[in-house]
Amino acid sequence: GAVVSQHPSWVICKSGTSVKIECRSLDFQATTMFWYRQFPKQSLMLMATSNEGSKATYEQGVEKDKFLINHASLTLSTLTVTSAHPEDSSFYICSARDPVGRRPQHFGDGTRLSIL
Amino acid sequence: KQEVTQIPAALSVPEGENLVLNCSFTDSAIYNLQWFRQDPGKGLTSLLLIQSSQREQTSGRLNASLDKSSGRSTLYIAASQPGDSATYLCAVGTDSNYQLIWGAGTKLIIKP
Repeated sequence: GAVVSQHPSWVICKSGTSVKIECRSLDFQATTMFWYRQFPKQSLMLMATSNEGSKATYEQGVEKDKFLINHASLTLSTLTVTSAHPEDSSFYICSARDPVGRRPQHFGDGTRLSIL
Repeated sequence: KQEVTQIPAALSVPEGENLVLNCSFTDSAIYNLQWFRQDPGKGLTSLLLIQSSQREQTSGRLNASLDKSSGRSTLYIAASQPGDSATYLCAVGTDSNYQLIWGAGTKLIIKP
C-alpha cells in the first residue's frame, strides 16, 4: 500500500540550530502535503499546506519565516525549523494527499524534535 | 469554523468489555470523517474512513458510525483487548483538499 516516509524520526540539537525534516511519498505522487505539530497530550494542529511547485499556505499564528516549507517535487516536501529554540520542541507529523488511494491522506511516522 | 470535540478525554475499562468513543463536530458540511489510533510517541494509524454519504464502516472489531445531521460519530470497539490501549483521534475532512480538523483524542486504557 501507499507509504509516506518521514525522516528523521528523532532529533536532539542545541538552541539556535536549524533542523530539516523530510516527508516523502514512496509510491504515489503527492501534489499536496500537510505539516502538523503536536504538543504533549494535545491533538494535532495543522501548521501549513504544501502544494508542489508553489508557496505553502500557513495557518494563522504559524511563522512562515520560522518554519520554511519546500515542496519542489511530487514526492518530497521538507520542513525546516530555523534557529530552533526550546519552545519549538514538539512532535511534527507530515501527511500526503493521495488522490486515487483508499485513504485521502497517508501519514508519516512523525519526528520528535527536542531543542536543548 | 469547524470544531471537533471528543468525549471522554480518557477511559479505562476491563478487558473484554464493549465500549463507545464519541466525536462531535459543529458544521455538518463535511467531506469525510476518519478515526485514527496513536500509540505513545508514535505516528498515526488510520482505522476507519467514513465518506459523507455513508452511515457506517466496519473493520474487524471496530465499527464507526456517522450522523451528519446531528454532527456526531461514534467508534464502537467490541470485546476490548489490552492491545487496544492507545489514544483514539477523530478527524473531519472539511474540503476537497481533504484538510483535516482534529479532535483532542480519547486516551483508552484496557485493563487486563
